[in-house]
Amino acid sequence: KQEVTQIPAALSVPEGENLVLNCSFTDSAIYNLQWFRQDPGKGLTSLLLIQSSQREQTSGRLNASLDKSSGRSTLYIAASQPGDSATYLCAVRGSGAGSYQLTFGKGTKLSVIP
Amino acid sequence: ETGVTQSPTHLIKTRGQQVTLRCSSQSGHNTVSWYQQALGQGPQFIFQYYREEENGRGNFPPRFSGLQFPNYSSELNVNALELDDSALYLCASSWDSYGYTFGSGTRLTVV
Repeated sequence: KQEVTQIPAALSVPEGENLVLNCSFTDSAIYNLQWFRQDPGKGLTSLLLIQSSQREQTSGRLNASLDKSSGRSTLYIAASQPGDSATYLCAVRGSGAGSYQLTFGKGTKLSVIP
Repeated sequence: ETGVTQSPTHLIKTRGQQVTLRCSSQSGHNTVSWYQQALGQGPQFIFQYYREEENGRGNFPPRFSGLQFPNYSSELNVNALELDDSALYLCASSWDSYGYTFGSGTRLTVV
């Protein structure tokens, strides 16, 4: 059974800092990995999707890397801003037949202090 | 291009009642999934529909059921509501399960 862990559970940084969020998963047989952002009480906003054959994806100030063999992904946020404050979730989709579900971590709650 | 829309946004029900939640998938998407998110937890997979057939189910009892319609919209039905069913219910759509787009969710409170 796939398990996804995100460390740290919460993070508080001053505005302007670069930061890294971590995600690990127990089964390396994944189809893809997706990073999401969730504001309090709201739905999920997709940030980046990395296919299992890719090493990284970039969008603006965000960069996500994937090391499938070691079961790890990182989300790098450059020059953090107060508007980046939210919970960040990573989710993996398995590669087996019929493996359509996303397995999520519990998230990292980020606070960027002005 | 419209995103995923869910209705209602909030709902309060009494234990033992039945509830129906609705989801309109993003234009061009043929797959709809439903997730339950308890407070402080990551979303948990309930089930997925592809071209009107259920093609995946998580560890949820049969009182959680669903439908997908020809226009790829979907319903989640929960019978015999329990207090633990209180959660944010998220709908997600995709094209062939490639990458998922989520809606804003329905907050269900069971009292």
